[in-house]
Amino acid sequence: NAGVTQTPKFRVLKTGQSMTLLCAQDMNHEYMYWYRQDPGMGLRLIHYSVGEGTTAKGEVPDGYNVSRLKKQNFLLGLESAAPSQTSVYFCASSYEGRGYEQYFGPGTRLTVT
Amino acid sequence: GENVEQHPSTLSVQEGDSAVIKCTYSDSASNYFPWYKQELGKGPQLIIDIRSNVGEKKDQRIAVTLNKTAKHFSLHITETQPEDSAVYFCAASTASSGTYKYIFGTGTRLKVLA
Repeated sequence: NAGVTQTPKFRVLKTGQSMTLLCAQDMNHEYMYWYRQDPGMGLRLIHYSVGEGTTAKGEVPDGYNVSRLKKQNFLLGLESAAPSQTSVYFCASSYEGRGYEQYFGPGTRLTVT
Repeated sequence: GENVEQHPSTLSVQEGDSAVIKCTYSDSASNYFPWYKQELGKGPQLIIDIRSNVGEKKDQRIAVTLNKTAKHFSLHITETQPEDSAVYFCAASTASSGTYKYIFGTGTRLKVLA
């Protein structure tokens, strides 16, 4: 199993550009999450999904949109990137059967200039 | 809102010594407390967890203790080794709306000096 994978690994955007980050998991997990990690602030939840076709807002959802059209994929979109969105983005997945453990991807480093 | 405080932010220990990282949570309904280790350039990885019906859990050199009354929990690493150097995050979780959202602490950078 590849676990949780994220595409791309690195990206540089100009202010106002848009992009989509892709998260894929091959563990058949129901739940998926998008976090951002900033220095000194830990990991903050952006959006999450409890199943295919569902999404919900987390702690810091403004400026982001998500979609979960397939159970194995969770997309994070930035419609108009801002320098404040410069961060490292992590995707995670979990399932109730294992309890609560979240499995994380390797991250995407995004810089907005 | 819900909050998890983590201390210290950085910790340096000599190889072979013990390291202790402490976290305090605000939501008394929290019932699951994982600890994650993040190595440079990688995603966080679970190293140990504890549920609210248990006061202590140990896995080889790593242990976690939970004090529900005081709402704090701690990670203990004994006989530290250079490969323990990483950033450690605590988290608190409460089942809500059919999922288990984590509130993370701000992280502790542990350096084990050889």
